[in-house]
Parts: sequence; structure tokens; C-alpha cells
Amino acid sequence: EIVLTQSPGTLSLSPGERATLSCRASQSVSSTYLAWYQQKPGQAPRLLIYGASSRATGIPDRFSGSGSGTDFTLTISRLEPEDFAVYYCQQYGSTLYTFGQGTKLEIK
Amino acid sequence: QVHLVQSGAEVKKPGASVRVSCKASGYTFTNYGINWVRQAPGQGLEWMGWINTYSGNTNYAQKLQGRVTMTTDTSTSTAYMDLRSLRSDDTAVYYCARYGSGSWLDYWGQGTLVTVSS
Repeated sequence: EIVLTQSPGTLSLSPGERATLSCRASQSVSSTYLAWYQQKPGQAPRLLIYGASSRATGIPDRFSGSGSGTDFTLTISRLEPEDFAVYYCQQYGSTLYTFGQGTKLEIK
Repeated sequence: QVHLVQSGAEVKKPGASVRVSCKASGYTFTNYGINWVRQAPGQGLEWMGWINTYSGNTNYAQKLQGRVTMTTDTSTSTAYMDLRSLRSDDTAVYYCARYGSGSWLDYWGQGTLVTVSS
């Protein structure tokens, strides 16, 4: 089973700043099967990025994804107040899914 | 538009079983599979398994093998998740989510809180 490790656990930033979230896999992951989700308190997760770098429908272009192999990154170019939430990476491989443990993005 | 609407909250005693339903609308049900994901209070997302709504094939997370069953009723576009022998650590919000050929989960249900308590 592929383990996804996200860092940092918590990221404290101010609106307008740039956020860089990391997701590292225990073995190589196909970029096709790497996704990122945003979850706000009391809400279901929302798909942000699929295929490592493609934005889902309706996602602002300040969100971008990159990476390959075992290292993937979610970047938020300029934080808006509504971006403060928990972010999860997810992979699919060998018929199994796994999620990272999440990064909490909080207002500094 | 696509909607996944789940059944309401449940309170169960240890050892009991629970069934959570997920009714899909706004798309052809058998063109997309359904994943089930749960989230214990204050914790992260845990993948439980998926069902191919066209073939009925399933794949479950190893830790839930033997306790979980996922099924569908294609006549009503509804997916079901049954969990047996409930324990206190099964207390969580349970989500259904749609997946397509690319595996990402593009639409999610609103979540169903299952509380296991004596």
C-alpha cells in the first residue's frame, strides 16, 4: 500500500501570501492518479486538482498542482480568506486508494 | 447537475450493523463508480472501498474486509454501504463520492454521521 505523507502538518500564513503544500509518496505514483482536495469545517471535501496538475471545474487559477514520481506540490499563489481549510492529497494505484493525513492551512 | 444525497444520521450500539445509502442524480449512474470514505471526529479521510456500478465489482480496504459490503440498486441509482459488528472507533462521518476513469472523486455526498455508543 502506498503511503502519502503531507507536510507541513499546519501552515500559518496571511491572506495575500503564497502557500506551498507538499505530498510525498512511499513509492512512485502515476501523475494521472494524484488528486488534491480542500475541506472546510462541516463540509464534504471538494476536488481541486486531478491528474497532479489539472484544475477541477470552477477552481480558481490561483490553485496549481505540480510534481511527479514521489513528490507532488499544491500551490496557492495568493491566499484569499476562503482558502483557509484542510487540504488532502489522494492517490489511486493497484485498485487501492490512499489519502494523505492532511495539511491545515490557518490564518496567521 | 450532479447530486449525491445520503441518508440521515444513525446511532448504533456496539456489535450492531448500519446501512448508509447514497442516491445519485444528474448523470447516468452506471457510467461512474462510487467510493466510500469516512472521517472520524477531528481526523483525516480514510478510504473504505469502491464499487463499480456497472459490473458490481468491489474492492475494500484491508482493515474493513469481512465487515463491509457495498452494493447498488441501479433501478433507483442508489449505492449502499453496510458495516457490521460496529465498534466505537467506527464512529465517523461516512461519505460517498463519485469516481470516473481517472479515479479522482469529483462529486461527494453531504456525509452521514454514524455514532456507535452503548
